[in-house]
Amino acid sequence: AQSVTQLDSQVPVFEEAPVELRCNYSSSVSVYLFWYVQYPNQGLQLLLKYLSGSTLVKGINGFEAEFNKSQTSFHLRKPSVHISDTAEYFCAVRRISNFGNEKLTFGTGTRLTIIP
Amino acid sequence: NAGVTQTPKFRVLKTGQSMTLLCAQDMNHEYMYWYRQDPGMGLRLIHYSVGEGTTAKGEVPDGYNVSRLKKQNFLLGLESAAPSQTSVYFCASSYGGPSIYEQYFGPGTRLTVT
Repeated sequence: AQSVTQLDSQVPVFEEAPVELRCNYSSSVSVYLFWYVQYPNQGLQLLLKYLSGSTLVKGINGFEAEFNKSQTSFHLRKPSVHISDTAEYFCAVRRISNFGNEKLTFGTGTRLTIIP
Repeated sequence: NAGVTQTPKFRVLKTGQSMTLLCAQDMNHEYMYWYRQDPGMGLRLIHYSVGEGTTAKGEVPDGYNVSRLKKQNFLLGLESAAPSQTSVYFCASSYGGPSIYEQYFGPGTRLTVT
């Protein structure tokens, strides 16, 4: 089984400051990694994903994440945040297999609040 | 393209009442999912479907039933609601097969059971 840990439940950041949201995972097999964003009163939207190749992946809205296999981490970063980045961010993993019905396992989420 | 829609958006039930949540997608996706979101617990998979007429249990299936009679619809039923089922429910859909396809989420249904 897989598990995802997002240690920071809330992260306040001043506007235009950099931010890092931490994600660590545990799995006995190789996994794909995802970050989703949930804006207030909306569903989840895919921010970025790591499937293979370069360990630095870029997503929408200027976010990027780096996969570190030795530390089993997939931290999300943005060099300069904007008020519109206020949202909840979820890290998720999915086991690598040839079956199409592998499920996503989500972390508990990090609420990012941007301070003007 | 409406994407994934959910009906209703809000609902208040009394303990023991029943209801059905409807999820519809217009993207011709094979796979559909029902999640519940609770504070501090992230999203947990209730049931999912890999095609019309097929359903399977997820992580927290107890107290829920589902049906996928049409490819575009996925229904979540609560036969006898309990306060522990107070939650926000999200439906999602994706293409199927071994490739990694994005899950598209609906806007959610906020359910309160008193």
